[in-house]
Amino acid sequence: DAGITQSPRHKVTETGTPVTLRCHQTENHRYMYWYRQDPGHGLRLIHYSYGVKDTDKGEVSDGYSVSRSKTEDFLLTLESATSSQTSVYFCAISYSSGIYEQYFGPGTRLTVT
Amino acid sequence: KNEVEQSPQNLTAQEGEFITINCSYSVGISALHWLQQHPGGGIVSLFMLSSGKKKHGRLIATINIQEKHSSLHITASHPRDSAVYICAVGETSGSRLTFGEGTQLTVNP
Repeated sequence: DAGITQSPRHKVTETGTPVTLRCHQTENHRYMYWYRQDPGHGLRLIHYSYGVKDTDKGEVSDGYSVSRSKTEDFLLTLESATSSQTSVYFCAISYSSGIYEQYFGPGTRLTVT
Repeated sequence: KNEVEQSPQNLTAQEGEFITINCSYSVGISALHWLQQHPGGGIVSLFMLSSGKKKHGRLIATINIQEKHSSLHITASHPRDSAVYICAVGETSGSRLTFGEGTQLTVNP
């Protein structure tokens, strides 16, 4: 199994509070991704990173920011959580883009009340 | 219309049956991925292919690039195959995957 961990695994927070989710990898892969998974939708890309300090937006990036100061860590921040951000969040890593497999973390279940 | 369409959305089978899940896409791709999501939520990569056919145990994945279509087959299905199967494509123009909504497979004993 690829060495990917996510923390926390579960979180309940109130509307308007900031939340940071952490993804940590031990594989030294260049690409890291944050997805959200909701009923009725496939996995949707929030942000991704193609190197330290190099990030780009995905299809559902509004309300989220990311940072990658080290190869192994990719942080997802909800500056002011809303109920619409209640979801399961998955981190994934890939050696490179497109033609390489993506390996997924265990997921974080976030509930915004 | 989604760029990646899977069918069926839900599939119930009896143990031992041959199962096929289909995936159609509308964009140029560098590779197509099949993923499995267990009832506990974990997601694992089953196959990545850009042409032809791949086999791993009882699972077979095929792709027809000209028709923009892929199939995932499970032979001699077993209750432990019950999971959500997800198709995803890596577009030639970018560095991200686009996912289908998944197929919920239930195999009854």
